[in-house]
This record gives sequence, structure tokens and C-alpha cells, in this order.
Amino acid sequence: AQKVTQAQTEISVVEKEDVTLDCVYETRDTTYYLFWYKQPPSGELVFLIRRNSFDEQNEISGRYSWNFQKSTSSFNFTITASQVVDSAVYFCALIAGANSKLTFGKGITLSVRP
Amino acid sequence: SAVISQKPSRDICQRGTSLTIQCQVDSQVTMMFWYRQQPGQSLTLIATANQGSEATYESGFVIDKFPISRPNLTFSTLTVSNMSPEDSSIYLCSVERGVYGYTFGSGTRLTVV
Repeated sequence: AQKVTQAQTEISVVEKEDVTLDCVYETRDTTYYLFWYKQPPSGELVFLIRRNSFDEQNEISGRYSWNFQKSTSSFNFTITASQVVDSAVYFCALIAGANSKLTFGKGITLSVRP
Repeated sequence: SAVISQKPSRDICQRGTSLTIQCQVDSQVTMMFWYRQQPGQSLTLIATANQGSEATYESGFVIDKFPISRPNLTFSTLTVSNMSPEDSSIYLCSVERGVYGYTFGSGTRLTVV
């Protein structure tokens, strides 16, 4: 069985602060994919990143960066110099093995105050 | 990545009635997924819809309550039947798009009164 744990439920920061959203996953499969999604107040889910289990390279995209560590089963997401528009719920998700079903974490509500 | 058109975007329905949600994808896909997101909660998979076969439902979801149609490779509907206030949620459809991950429709925000 797969499981995704997002222990943080709500985070509030002031604009321009850096913030890290934690994600810990569990799976017995050696082949799996990890995802991050953003859900703004409007409700749609916006795809941010997909990472497979064989690629532990960290990734940077603008103000966003992701730290994938298999040793700790973590796939953390950092927003640098946060902005008010970053306010949203962020979900970490997992697909493992032959299973095509996404398993979502409970989500982290990020509030960025001006 | 694929574009998914989902409608309606929101609706307020009377208890006991049914609502059909539509998802149109701009390219052919084998599987379409339907999710429910209850207020303040994460996403829960309702069922997987393959063209030409019965949908596969997850534990806790049944066809009588959430009938799904998949008439072709670009379209699917989910019906929420005999609604009660507990069905008030966001319903989302999704398709897999390879390296782009899973793309989601814009969601249907349902309120049952």
C-alpha cells in the first residue's frame, strides 16, 4: 500500500520569506512517481512537478525547488521569496508500481501575507 | 499537456435530485479518473473509467450512487445520484499525461441544500 504524509497542515508566512513544505511517502515498490500540485482558492489543481524514483536530482524552477531524498523517503518543496499569489493548498502525491492511481497527502494550506 | 473542459463549474442542487458532470479532453486517452474532494479534505478517487467497459469503483463508492459513462476516448460523465448534503464537494476529472503528470479538470463545486 502507498501512503503520503504531509505533517504540516497550515503555514503562514510574510511575503518574501522562504518556506518549505514537507512530504514523506511510503511504498514498497522500487518504481514510483512523486508529484506536487497547487490548488488555489478557485479550486483547480495545477501540476507543478513529476519526479521518478530513479532520478534523485534536485530540481529548480524559478522560485520553486524540490529536494528528493530516497534515504528519508522525502520529497520536499521550497518556495523562495514567497508571494501572495503563492497562497494555496499544496498537495504531494504518489503513484507506485503498476498502480495507476494517485495517492494524495492531506495537503498543506499556505498563506502568504503582504 | 491535455486540456480538460469540465462543466458545470458549480451548482447548487436540492437534496434527492441528481447532477451529471461532464469532462471533455482535447485528445484521446485510455483512462479517465474521477475524484471527490470534500470540504477541507484531500482528494479521494471515486472510480477509473475506461472506454468500452464498466468503470472500476474504489472502496466506498458504488455505481448506483455515482454512475459513470465513457462513450468515447475523449469524454466522460459522472452522475451524483439522489444527492444529500453530504455529497457537497468538489468533483474533479483527471487524465494521465506522461511527463506532465496527471492533468485535472477545473472542478465542479457542488452544494446540496
